[in-house]
Amino acid sequence: GAGVSQSPSNKVTEKGKDVELRCDPISGHTALYWYRQSLGQGLEFLIYFQGNSAPDKSGLPSDRFSAERTGGSVSTLTIQRTQQEDSAVYLCASSLSGGRVDTQYFGPGTRLTVL
Amino acid sequence: DQQVKQNSPSLSVQEGRISILNCDYTNSMFDYFLWYKKYPAEGPTFLISISSIKDKNEDGRFTVFLNKSAKHLSLHIVPSQPGDSAVYFCAAFFGNEKLTFGTGTRLTIIP
Repeated sequence: GAGVSQSPSNKVTEKGKDVELRCDPISGHTALYWYRQSLGQGLEFLIYFQGNSAPDKSGLPSDRFSAERTGGSVSTLTIQRTQQEDSAVYLCASSLSGGRVDTQYFGPGTRLTVL
Repeated sequence: DQQVKQNSPSLSVQEGRISILNCDYTNSMFDYFLWYKKYPAEGPTFLISISSIKDKNEDGRFTVFLNKSAKHLSLHIVPSQPGDSAVYFCAAFFGNEKLTFGTGTRLTIIP
């Protein structure tokens, strides 16, 4: 079946603009994660959705970052008033039920460049 | 504060030889460890995992070793093949669903 898809694959924006990144998880997966990888860094956890529970937002770096997941499926990560340090690859992953032994399947990522 | 460290950013290995990728962690509460492999322009894919109650897990050409006292794990690939050329990330869980990743090691297999 289809894997995790993300759009756009690349996004170039000007400092101060808002951007929206989209993630389509694998159908039937109840858990959805957002990560980002800045240059020279590991993958950094941002936010985690599990079913109808309140999301775990503990990894969001500032209040300019927000995410929602509509209908338990598609998720959108929004970055307001982008800064140059927001430049990174943003990765989305989904898993069947969110447990630690559940494999997380990653999308190809969105490369965000803030000029 | 990097809790999972991969100190070698790159590694080159001759085809057919053993590749050994290393990972150190600082948080003794981590109790489940994973290795992911990433090709360019693709997301990471799960490779192998190990629970802290074990010290070794094997899957075909891939073996992960865990040394809890040293807070060290390693991934052995033998024999190495050209398709193994990729970036390898180690990652760790403790008590919740948030994975902490290392910075990755780029493995190049030389034909």
